[in-house]
Amino acid sequence: QKEVEQNSGPLSVPEGAIASLNCTYSDRGSQSFFWYRQYSGKSPELIMFIYSNGDKEDGRFTAQLNKASQYVSLLIRDSQPSDSATYLCAGTPNDYKLSFGAGTTVTVRA
Amino acid sequence: SAVISQKPSRDICQRGTSLTIQCQVDSQVTMMFWYRQQPGQSLTLIATANQGSEATYESGFVIDKFPISRPNLTFSTLTVSNMSPEDSSIYLCSVVWGRGGTDTQYFGPGTRLTVL
Repeated sequence: QKEVEQNSGPLSVPEGAIASLNCTYSDRGSQSFFWYRQYSGKSPELIMFIYSNGDKEDGRFTAQLNKASQYVSLLIRDSQPSDSATYLCAGTPNDYKLSFGAGTTVTVRA
Repeated sequence: SAVISQKPSRDICQRGTSLTIQCQVDSQVTMMFWYRQQPGQSLTLIATANQGSEATYESGFVIDKFPISRPNLTFSTLTVSNMSPEDSSIYLCSVVWGRGGTDTQYFGPGTRLTVL
């Protein structure tokens, strides 16, 4: 079983809608979780990190963490065509090493 | 965040040869990692390269195949040895950088390797 499981999608949403991305993790020792965005042919770019239960908002992005359910999510509000990318969820089981999910490809339809 | 560069950005190599990838950071960082991203896949950690200690490899990766150097706090190299087509991937270095009280990882631009 992978340490981080991510609904692989793909996910298609209309412009202006909310895109919801989810992942679960198996290692209860994981402390911090990260969402990266990766455009085709580019390297991953950090969007948000979260380490406390609850919600964390940054602009149009909201990360949610539920440690009891071992569940992490990312909401993208007012989705724009520029949000079309692959989103990678990652956790840190130990020593800052990142364990990545499979990624979810999001397409925002204009 | 730290600015990370990698050389080469891409290369096409013949099987059986070796390629050394360089990762340069504009600030001193203790923790550095090397990842591989195979076509259409997510990222897999190859090894941790901390200055002052030997690199530690993840399961499935060995030093003979992926020797790593970390001579100082701003530079590292990863060599892909005796390459085969299965080594065709994007290789990325990353560094841990403090931000808002939580250390996060930032990635270099990657090296796209094609092995014929």
